[in-house]
Amino acid sequence: KQEVTQIPAALSVPEGENLVLNCSFTDSAIYNLQWFRQDPGKGLTSLLLIQSSQREQTSGRLNASLDKSSGRSTLYIAASQPGDSATYLCAVGQGAQKLVFGQGTRLTINP
Amino acid sequence: ETGVTQTPRHLVMGMTNKKSLKCEQHLGHNAMYWYKQSAKKPLELMFVYNFKEQTENNSVPSRFSPECPNSSHLFLHLHTLQPEDSALYLCASSQGSRGAQGTEAFFGQGTRLTVV
Repeated sequence: KQEVTQIPAALSVPEGENLVLNCSFTDSAIYNLQWFRQDPGKGLTSLLLIQSSQREQTSGRLNASLDKSSGRSTLYIAASQPGDSATYLCAVGQGAQKLVFGQGTRLTINP
Repeated sequence: ETGVTQTPRHLVMGMTNKKSLKCEQHLGHNAMYWYKQSAKKPLELMFVYNFKEQTENNSVPSRFSPECPNSSHLFLHLHTLQPEDSALYLCASSQGSRGAQGTEAFFGQGTRLTVV
């Protein structure tokens, strides 16, 4: 059974810092990996999708990497801003239409 | 409207009530999903519909009954729920596939359900 773990569970950093969020998964037979952000009481916003054949994806200040063989992904956020404060969720595509989620990292950026 | 829209945003219901959650997507996708998000637990997949056919039922109790009349609409019918069913219910859609490649999922804002 696929298990997805996100470390740390919570992170607080000052504005302007670069930071890395980690995601690990136990079964490397995945179709893709997707990073989302979730604001309190809201739905999920897709940030980046990495197909299993890819190593990384970039969007603005965000960069996500995937190492399928070691079961790891990282989300790098450059020059963090208070508006980046949210919970960040990692999900692996297990089967063509099935996402398995981690518990998330709650990120706080302090002005 | 664009994206994935869920109604209502909030719902309070008694254990003997019957209610329905509605989801509509305007992305031209062919796959739709229901997820449950409880406090301090990861999102749990409940149901998947791919090209209007149910392809996944993740051992969900029968008091939750999904319906997918077409590729744009998805419902979750609720009856005789328990207080532990209180959670945020999220709908999602994706391109859909009859092959092996996974596609990007887009989520709605969710329905906050409270069972009293």
